[in-house]
Amino acid sequence: KQEVTQIPAALSVPEGENLVLNCSFTDSAIYNLQWFRQDPGKGLTSLLLIQSSQREQTSGRLNASLDKSSGRSTLYIAASQPGDSATYLCAVLRGGGADGLTFGKGTHLIIQP
Amino acid sequence: NAGVMQNPRHLVRRRGQEARLRCSPMKGHSHVYWYRQLPEEGLKFMVYLQKENIIDESGMPKERFSAEFPKEGPSILRIQQVVRGDSAAYFCASGWGSRSGANVLTFGAGSRLTVL
Repeated sequence: KQEVTQIPAALSVPEGENLVLNCSFTDSAIYNLQWFRQDPGKGLTSLLLIQSSQREQTSGRLNASLDKSSGRSTLYIAASQPGDSATYLCAVLRGGGADGLTFGKGTHLIIQP
Repeated sequence: NAGVMQNPRHLVRRRGQEARLRCSPMKGHSHVYWYRQLPEEGLKFMVYLQKENIIDESGMPKERFSAEFPKEGPSILRIQQVVRGDSAAYFCASGWGSRSGANVLTFGAGSRLTVL
């Protein structure tokens, strides 16, 4: 059974810092991995999607890496801003035809102005 | 394009009542997924539907829960005889193809069910 763990559960940093969020998964047979952002009272917004054959994806100040063999992914946020405050979720899609994403519990991020 | 629309946004039910949650996918999307987020838990996959077909319901509780996506109208997640443990946020997502990661899903804002 696939399990996804995110560390830390919560993080508070001053504005401008670079930071790393971690995600680990127990079954390396994944189809892809996604990072989402969840704002209170709103839906999830997909940030980055990494296919199992890829090593990383970049979008603006965000960079996500994937090491499938070790079951790890990191989300790097450069030059953090107060608007980055949200819960960040990591999710994997299992290989073998499964259709549902397996999510971690998320990292609650606060960027202090 | 209004995105994925879920209603009601908030629903309060007493134990034993029925809850119906609706999801209208994005225009052009024919694939719908339901996820449940219990307090302090991650989102859990419940069911994947295409028009008039349930493709994968491996995450659905065996009793009291059902889902449909009719040819016309929204997808509906129905919970009969609700219990307090059903209190959660229920999220719907839609996409235009199979394998939810092959295309980026669009999530709705969720329906928050509270069972008294």
